Amino acid sequence: AQSVAQPEDQVNVAEGNPLTVKCTYSVSGNPYLFWYVQYPNRGLQFLLKYITGDNLVKGSYGFEAEFNKSQTSFHLKKPSALVSDSALYFCAVNNQGGKLIFGQGTELSVKP
Amino acid sequence: EAGVAQSPRYKIIEKRQSVAFWCNPISGHATLYWYQQILGQGPKLLIQFQNNGVVDDSQLPKDRFSAERLKGVDSTLKIQPAKLEDSAVYLCASSTHWANDEKLFFGSGTQLSVL
Repeated sequence: AQSVAQPEDQVNVAEGNPLTVKCTYSVSGNPYLFWYVQYPNRGLQFLLKYITGDNLVKGSYGFEAEFNKSQTSFHLKKPSALVSDSALYFCAVNNQGGKLIFGQGTELSVKP
Repeated sequence: EAGVAQSPRYKIIEKRQSVAFWCNPISGHATLYWYQQILGQGPKLLIQFQNNGVVDDSQLPKDRFSAERLKGVDSTLKIQPAKLEDSAVYLCASSTHWANDEKLFFGSGTQLSVL
């Protein structure tokens, strides 16, 4: 069965510093990997996805993610964090079955 | 373009009562999803429609939950009777079609509290 894990419930970063939100996955076959962001009282918004090709994927709002097949990871990164990046971030995986499975989420807090 | 619309925004009911949620997807989107998001957890897929047909309802508690998608556009999700553990945010999402690499567009959700 496919699954995705986000090992950190919360990540705290100072504004201007780089940030990383971790995600590992387990799936049979080739994974389709996604990151979504959820702002308070809002629905989830798509950030980026990895399907195939270059292991470094660029997405919205300056975010990028690195796919690592040997470590089965898909970590979300940003070179310089903004206070407005504070939100709940979800990693998700989809395999050939067409069902999107979400991790439990990581709360990112960026302090001025 | 208009996003995914959901109503009501909040609902408070007592256990054993019934409740219904409504969703209007983005125009032209063939695939519609209902997710349940319990506090502190990621969204869990309840049911997925392709046009007005059910693609996946394997995690829908069918003894109390039901859903339909009228004419392949709007959808309603019903709970009858509600239990305390049904307290959650119910998210509707849509996508242009059903594919493994398709991104989903989410509504703001309906927050349900069962007392």
